[in-house]
Parts: sequence; C-alpha cells; structure tokens
Amino acid sequence: EVQLVESGGGLVQPGGSLRLSCAASGLTFSRYWMHWVRQAPGKGLVWVSRIDSDGRSTIYADSMKGRLTISRDNAKNTLYLQMNSLRAEDTAVYYCARGGRDMGGAFDIWGQGTMVTVSS
Amino acid sequence: EIVLTQSPGTLSLSPGERATLSCRASQSVSSRSLAWYQQKPGQAPRLLIYGASSRATGIPDRFSGSGSGTDFTLTISRLEPEDFAGYYCQQYDKSLWTFGQGTKVEIK
Repeated sequence: EVQLVESGGGLVQPGGSLRLSCAASGLTFSRYWMHWVRQAPGKGLVWVSRIDSDGRSTIYADSMKGRLTISRDNAKNTLYLQMNSLRAEDTAVYYCARGGRDMGGAFDIWGQGTMVTVSS
Repeated sequence: EIVLTQSPGTLSLSPGERATLSCRASQSVSSRSLAWYQQKPGQAPRLLIYGASSRATGIPDRFSGSGSGTDFTLTISRLEPEDFAGYYCQQYDKSLWTFGQGTKVEIK
C-alpha cells in the first residue's frame, strides 16, 4: 500500500523551530517530486514547498520563504521540512504530498497531516 | 502568481441532484495543469481530477471536469451521501502551485 506518514508536529513558541518528517512506503520514493501543503484551522489549502526527485531543486511559497528548508533522504524514503522563526499564523495542519507523474503537477498521494501550533 | 477563485462558496443540494462547481483563474491556465480535490472534515485531500478532465484512479464516473483557459468546472452528476464535502481546484504554473479557496457542498 502506498503511504505517506507525517510526524514532528506539536506546540512551539513564537520564534521557535520545528522539523517535520514524512515517511514514505509502498512507492519508489526517489522517482517523485514531493510537496508540503498546509491548512490553517477552518481555512483552505496552501502550497508551501516542492523538492525535486533527487533533492537538487527546491522552491518555496513567498509566504514562508527564508524560514523554510525542504529536504529529502532517498535512502530513508523520508521528506523533511525545517521551519524556523515560527509565527502564530503558521499554525496549521501540514501535509506532505506526492507529485503525480504525468499528471500536470497534481498531487496524487497525501499523508494524513501533522498539526503545528505556534503559541506562547 | 495565478489566483484561482472558486464559486459558489457553499452549495446546498440534495442527494441525487447535480452539482456544478466553478474555478476561475486570474490568467490563462494550461488545461494540463488544472486539478480538483475533495476533502472531508478531518481527512487529507483526495485527488479527483487532473489535467482538467482526467479522473484519478478509483474516482467514480459521476465526477467530471471540463474547461479551458480561465474557466474550469467540476460536475458531480448525481450527488451521493459521501460526496458532501469540500472541493478545491489547483493549478501549476512556472514552478508555483496555487489552490482556490474551496467550495463546500452541503446537504440541503
């Protein structure tokens, strides 16, 4: 079964840091672009970041640029998101998602999400 | 950045009725790069449609997508009880992805 499982969320103070992980199973992880998408409570989906299949190319949404680092370890089938200088408005469920092949940029597999709460 | 505007914000319908959801882009979008997702409360999004009109694996044929340029539509031909959920369109252009703000389909 193809599966993505996020972890690493939790409560962090403003200005703090957190590293999220996304463990992949049942797929050839190293073949796919991977993404992070977030969703604030009661709000819509916001794309955050993308990393290409070998980890050499990354891109970030303007809203979090400079405070994020996306990375991956293909040997461990794991995607990461390092988040620094966190703000209250970063409070959200963070999803990892697989970029589908030949799907025009669509995300065909999603994890269940991990909640990040930024509060003092 | 391309902005996607979905309408209506909420659609109140009964089971068996037809649902028509709109997604309008601030500039022309490649049909190849337009997708639709369904999200139920407390769950991750699920890909329904990619390339504007191709159904993802396992998606029932009551779901269909159409459109081109700046106007795209998701149609659910006959609403089943499990179809009452949130729906998002998404586009990909110049290495950036954006989502619409969503349409909620609720039971009337």
